[in-house]
Amino acid sequence: QVQLVESGGGVVQPGRSLRLSCAASGFTFSSYGMHWVRQAPGKGLEWVSVISYDGSNKYYVDSVRGRFTVSRDNSKNTLYLQMNSLRAEDTAVYYCAKEGPSGGEFDFWGQGTLVTVSS
Amino acid sequence: SYVLTQPPSVSVAPGQTARITCGANNIGIKSVHWYQQKPGQAPVLVVYDDGDRPSGIPERFSGSNSGNTATLTISRAEAGDEADYYCQVWDNSGDQSFVFGTGTKVTVL
Repeated sequence: QVQLVESGGGVVQPGRSLRLSCAASGFTFSSYGMHWVRQAPGKGLEWVSVISYDGSNKYYVDSVRGRFTVSRDNSKNTLYLQMNSLRAEDTAVYYCAKEGPSGGEFDFWGQGTLVTVSS
Repeated sequence: SYVLTQPPSVSVAPGQTARITCGANNIGIKSVHWYQQKPGQAPVLVVYDDGDRPSGIPERFSGSNSGNTATLTISRAEAGDEADYYCQVWDNSGDQSFVFGTGTKVTVL
């Protein structure tokens, strides 16, 4: 069965960096695009970034472009999100999600990891 | 950017039908996906490509999409359907972008 397990969240000061990881299993990781989606406390879902199956294409929401970098290691079945210059408004639960068969949906999600940006 | 508008809340009696709308300009030409999220849990895909159901999702969940409105319908509502529901589209006009709706809290009275 598909499993996605995020790690790396925590409390960090504004302006600092954090790297999230998402360990995947139960499917051919190297065949699917992967996403990061976040949810601020008490708020709705916000898509953050996507990386293509081979890592050649990457896209970001405007609010993180230039500060966050998505990457993947297909040999380790792991997705990453490097977050630099963190701001209070980046505080959220970060989910990794697998691209669905049609390409536009997220068919499996991890349990999420909480990032809190606070001084 | 593309904006998806949902009603903040919908109430339904057990056994009755709940309809959750997702409005946007010409949404009917896009594929719409729907997620259920219960408190403290990750979202779960319940409908994709307007009206298809992933394996394991009850037939009580159905979807439609036309014109400026997509709709998720929950038939024979159960207490376990109480959750937040989000619509979502892939906006691939220009830079790739994935957009979520504002979310709807469904209460089963």
